[in-house]
Amino acid sequence: AQSVTQPDIHITVSEGASLELRCNYSYGATPYLFWYVQSPGQGLQLLLKYFSGDTLVQGIKGFEAEFKRSQSSFNLRKPSVHWSDAAEYFCAVGYQKVTFGIGTKLQVIP
Amino acid sequence: EADIYQTPRYLVIGTGKKITLECSQTMGHDKMYWYQQDPGMELHLIHYSYGVNSTEKGDLSSESTVSRIRTEHFPLTLESARPSHTSQYLCASRAEGYYEQYFGPGTRLTVT
Repeated sequence: AQSVTQPDIHITVSEGASLELRCNYSYGATPYLFWYVQSPGQGLQLLLKYFSGDTLVQGIKGFEAEFKRSQSSFNLRKPSVHWSDAAEYFCAVGYQKVTFGIGTKLQVIP
Repeated sequence: EADIYQTPRYLVIGTGKKITLECSQTMGHDKMYWYQQDPGMELHLIHYSYGVNSTEKGDLSSESTVSRIRTEHFPLTLESARPSHTSQYLCASRAEGYYEQYFGPGTRLTVT
């Protein structure tokens, strides 16, 4: 069965600092991987996706993620966080049916 | 920007009432999904549809029902609301051959 683990429930970073959100997955074949962001009171917005090819993928809002098959990881990164990045971030795996992690809530302090 | 809409955005209703949560998309997507989201929990798939007149139950047992009479419309109905149905309900869709899902803004349901 496919599964996703986001080990950090809550992360606080200072504005301008770098960010890395962790995601580990379990999947029986080549995974389809996604990162979504959810602002309060909103639905999920796709940040980026990985299906194949280059293991470093670029997304919207300056985010990137790196697929590491040997570590079953798909961590999300941003070099410099802005206050508007405060939100909840969900990693997901699958294609016909997608399994989501429980999310990481990002707080940005001035 | 994806065009998927949910109404109402917020609903407070008493126990025993029948409710329908609306979901519509203008992208012509065949695949549509309903998820239930609670704080600190992963999204749970409760229903999905791969096209008109096709509906399936998801991984999380739900007392709700869905219908898919038109491609763009995927309403969810609760015949008799209970406090345990209090949650956020998210609708999503995707195109055939593509696996990223586009989400609506959600309906936050409170049953008193």
